[in-house]
Amino acid sequence: GEDVEQSLFLSVREGDSSVINCTYTDSSSTYLYWYKQEPGAGLQLLTYIFSNMDMKQDQRLTVLLNKKDKHLSLRIADTQTGDSAIYFCAVRLSGGYNKLIFGAGTRLAVHP
Amino acid sequence: DAGVIQSPRHEVTEMGQEVTLRCKPISGHDYLFWYRQTMMRGLELLIYFNNNVPIDDSGMPEDRFSAKMPNASFSTLKIQPSEPRDSAVYFCASSFERGFTGELFFGEGSRLTVL
Repeated sequence: GEDVEQSLFLSVREGDSSVINCTYTDSSSTYLYWYKQEPGAGLQLLTYIFSNMDMKQDQRLTVLLNKKDKHLSLRIADTQTGDSAIYFCAVRLSGGYNKLIFGAGTRLAVHP
Repeated sequence: DAGVIQSPRHEVTEMGQEVTLRCKPISGHDYLFWYRQTMMRGLELLIYFNNNVPIDDSGMPEDRFSAKMPNASFSTLKIQPSEPRDSAVYFCASSFERGFTGELFFGEGSRLTVL
C-alpha cells in the first residue's frame, strides 16, 4: 500500500528557515498536503500542492514537489516560536475517493 | 460552522470495558474518517464512510473495533472489550467530495486511556 515517510524531529533557531521533508510511494497521487497539529488539537490544513505543480509559495511557506523522486518538502521562512508543532505530510490517493494517507509527522521545535 | 465535534475529549477506562467515541461531522460533508494517533505508529486511518456507507475498513485493528454512521450527522467508533494497547488519540475528520482540494477537517480528538 501507499507509504509516506518523514523524519520525526527537527530543531531550528528562531529566525532561521525550517525545511521538513517527506517521501511517498504512490506516483499517481493527485494532491499532496501539509497539515499542522498544535498541542492538544486536531490537524489543520496548512497548504497543499497539486501534482502537476513543482512549487507553491504562500507567504512564509514554500512547498517543493519533485515527482521523479517522489519527494515533497515544506520550507518555513523566518521560523517563529509559534511555528512549533507537528507537521504532517499527506497524499491523496488516486481513485476518486478523498482518502488521505499521512506520514508519522515531524515535530518542529523552535528555540531562541 | 462549529466544525467537527467529538466526544468525549478524554476517557479513562479499565481493560475489558466498552468504549464508545462519538463524532458529529460538518454539515454538508459527505465523507467521514476515523483516525488513530499514537507515538509508535503516527496517524493511522481506521475506517472511512461516504454518504454514511463504510467504504474502507481495512485499517480497523481487529474485531473488537466497530464503527457506524446511522445518519449524515453522527458516527460512533466502539471498542469492546478495550485493552491497554488501544490507548491513543482518536480523531474524526470530515470532507466534501466536490471540494476542490479534498481537504480534511479534523475534530479535536478523543484521548483514550485504557488501564
